Amino acid sequence: GAVVSQHPSWVICKSGTSVKIECRSLDFQATTMFWYRQFPKQSLMLMATSNEGSKATYEQGVEKDKFLINHASLTLSTLTVTSAHPEDSSFYICSAPQGGGRYEQYFGPGTRLTVT
Amino acid sequence: AQTVTQSQPEMSVQEAETVTLSCTYDTSENNYYLFWYKQPPSRQMILVIRQEAYKQQNATENRFSVNFQKAAKSFSLKISDSQLGDTAMYFCAFMKTAGTASKLTFGTGTRLQVTL
Repeated sequence: GAVVSQHPSWVICKSGTSVKIECRSLDFQATTMFWYRQFPKQSLMLMATSNEGSKATYEQGVEKDKFLINHASLTLSTLTVTSAHPEDSSFYICSAPQGGGRYEQYFGPGTRLTVT
Repeated sequence: AQTVTQSQPEMSVQEAETVTLSCTYDTSENNYYLFWYKQPPSRQMILVIRQEAYKQQNATENRFSVNFQKAAKSFSLKISDSQLGDTAMYFCAFMKTAGTASKLTFGTGTRLQVTL
């Protein structure tokens, strides 16, 4: 199956700083990628849809100025958490559909963010 | 908007036994996909099984099978001959098919523990 990677797998940052998380589709092109947030023992909550060549679409309640998404190429989307606060600490997961009429989505391994 | 409900927060089953996880959903769409994803302690999301709504035949993947009741909007997962490696969170998910791959709506998850 297709492979999606995320980097870093774990990051610790101080309050007020910004941190960037990368999501890459390694063996296929993805014009769309999705970013999820998962709190401990909870489900995945969709944050935004990343679109190559256009602005991201954010879900209701997600601050677009805080969670900046850039779909730089057909294989890379980045999520930047700006001015991070401890409440931003969470597990962030990206996914990408392989497209071509195939509706299966491939998930990255996730990034654990801890804000101190 | 679509909603997905998993009414069993936790389940336990003995090794080699059979267990069924429940999922119901609500949608006004006629064409859609339903999925079961597994999230082991590594937190990597793994696709277990997929069902296209237009197919009456229930999907089967080795020890995993579904009971899809479209009229009742029910989509349960049966795991036969349970193995210790099946211990994980299981998420039911819905995706509408609007021509291109779309976002997933997840249920709250069921934590499955397989015991000796």
